Amino acid sequence: GQQVMQIPQYQHVQEGEDFTTYCNSSTTLSNIQWYKQRPGGHPVFLIQLVKSGEVKKQKRLTFQFGEAKKNSSLHITATQTTDVGTYFCAPHRDDKIIFGKGTRLHILP
Amino acid sequence: DTEVTQTPKHLVMGMTNKKSLKCEQHMGHRAMYWYKQKAKKPPELMFVYSYEKLSINESVPSRFSPECPNSSLLNLHLHALQPEDSALYLCASSQDRGRQPQHFGDGTRLSIL
Repeated sequence: GQQVMQIPQYQHVQEGEDFTTYCNSSTTLSNIQWYKQRPGGHPVFLIQLVKSGEVKKQKRLTFQFGEAKKNSSLHITATQTTDVGTYFCAPHRDDKIIFGKGTRLHILP
Repeated sequence: DTEVTQTPKHLVMGMTNKKSLKCEQHMGHRAMYWYKQKAKKPPELMFVYSYEKLSINESVPSRFSPECPNSSLLNLHLHALQPEDSALYLCASSQDRGRQPQHFGDGTRLSIL
């Protein structure tokens, strides 16, 4: 089946530092979604990437889809305490999405 | 505030009990989902309903029985659960089964004694 690896599993950063999480697949992806889940909360949709090499920005968040459509990344510039949570990539296949294991982001004040 | 409403928020039940989890959305979405999420793990898909018909069952044990009474409602009937079934159960909906964002409810935190 489709294997998706998300790294790192955990990341501690000082407030104001940048953060990046990576999602790597062994197979070509048709598209990929990203979700954020705050502690004690539910997943919230952030973005969907469809095109090879696509780059999308949402304020301090930058999402990329690799040229080969086998990897994706989420980069946060100048992290804030509100960025705390777990970020999941979720490739889409067979009319469903499969969540990666997620990257848990901790912000140190 | 979430547009997908799940009840109850918390549920504690014994292994011989029968209970139901409920999910409701009024966004006109035609696809609805049940996920199970254990602590510090990603959500795992259980069931997908599309246009009120069950379209995906991810080999879920029969002690979990989904039901979609109409396009706005999704139930998950529980019977003879095991302690390892304790988890957060999340309901989600999307416009259709295709490449659409999923909107999640707050979940039901289930504990099996």
